[in-house]
Amino acid sequence: DQQVKQNSPSLSVQEGRISILNCDYTNSMFDYFLWYKKYPAEGPTFLISISSIKDKNEDGRFTVFLNKSAKHLSLHIVPSQPGDSAVYFCAASAPNTGNQFYFGTGTSLTVIP
Amino acid sequence: DVKVTQSSRYLVKRTGEKVFLECVQDMDHENMFWYRQDPGLGLRLIYFSYDVKMKEKGDIPEGYSVSREKKERFSLILESASTNQTSMYLCASSFEGTGMNTEAFFGQGTRLTVV
Repeated sequence: DQQVKQNSPSLSVQEGRISILNCDYTNSMFDYFLWYKKYPAEGPTFLISISSIKDKNEDGRFTVFLNKSAKHLSLHIVPSQPGDSAVYFCAASAPNTGNQFYFGTGTSLTVIP
Repeated sequence: DVKVTQSSRYLVKRTGEKVFLECVQDMDHENMFWYRQDPGLGLRLIYFSYDVKMKEKGDIPEGYSVSREKKERFSLILESASTNQTSMYLCASSFEGTGMNTEAFFGQGTRLTVV
């Protein structure tokens, strides 16, 4: 049972435009959400996170939005750059679950120069 | 810098072999994880450990076992490798708890091919 879902397997965006990656979750106990970026043949690298007590967190070109009532989060990348082309995974964790991270299936972002 | 190091980048093993994947972290993290990544399936948790000699099954533990004899080292064992275990294996570690500064740090991955 997939508790974290990324329904778009791929996304293409023009360089300089905004990329919006979406993620939905089902477990209302999740209190911490993360985005990871993964290049081929490498491990995922942590990008940005947000606590459930916030609805927005910003770090440079990356902003994560959390809508708890909709159980939805999104990652905005502005402006998009060709080096942002990678697979993006969202993840979530909840207290008292043994520190597990639950990952989505990933969205492959291609930024076209 | 946090470092999670996996012993091999690429491995080719024969069906039926016993396979050991090693992972070492240098951040004194309590938690360590083994995931596998397959196209369209994302990252699936095989096993995790929150302390030395402790282990918990993840979503897909069948065919695997783990060992954590020291805090910094977490080994994944394929008891008898099969072709359906061909995959990218990812080790990760994190501090205990949820919230800021508990994100998982990943190793570079091991691409295992079972022939």
